[in-house]
Amino acid sequence: ILNVEQSPQSLHVQEGDSTNFTCSFPSSNFYALHWYRWETAKSPEALFVMTLNGDEKKKGRISATLNTKEGYSYLYIKGSQPEDSATYLCASPSSGAGNNRKLIWGLGTSLAVNP
Amino acid sequence: DGGITQSPKYLFRKEGQNVTLSCEQNLNHDAMYWYRQDPGQGLRLIYYSQIVNDFQKGDIAEGYSVSREKKESFPLTVTSAQKNPTAFYLCASSILSTYSNQPQHFGDGTRLSIL
Repeated sequence: ILNVEQSPQSLHVQEGDSTNFTCSFPSSNFYALHWYRWETAKSPEALFVMTLNGDEKKKGRISATLNTKEGYSYLYIKGSQPEDSATYLCASPSSGAGNNRKLIWGLGTSLAVNP
Repeated sequence: DGGITQSPKYLFRKEGQNVTLSCEQNLNHDAMYWYRQDPGQGLRLIYYSQIVNDFQKGDIAEGYSVSREKKESFPLTVTSAQKNPTAFYLCASSILSTYSNQPQHFGDGTRLSIL
């Protein structure tokens, strides 16, 4: 069974602070690593899907890195704003065969940015 | 705009009653998914479908049923056999991919409660 773990569980920062959190996953049979942002009263929104070791993706002030050999990904937010307050989820496909690889989800990191 | 529509937003079920949650997408995605979220737990997969007239059980399919008669639609029925149906239900869709490296797009969810 594949376990996807996220840390910390929650985070409170001040507006303008930069922050980062971690997603860890078993490094064997790696296929992809997904990051999503889930704001209260909205639907989860895909941020990144990463597949290559050493890959770095960026979307505005948010960026993510991937280390498939050691089984972790970092999500960074530069200069946090109140609108960044959300739960950030990561997920990775199970090692099932063919198209039956289901996403296994972490519990998320809940970020609160105080103005 | 393309997207996923879930209805209703709130649903109440009486004892012994079956209820159906609607999920419609106009993104032309082949793959569709139903997830359940409970407090303190990650998203758990109930059922998924990769093509019309075909679907697969996820990790917690007992007490649920689905159909996929049209590409756009993937309704979920919560049957009376599901003894603890109170939860938040999310529908998602994605482009079909062998390595699950396509992002999932989510609806706004349905919150189901027991009367």
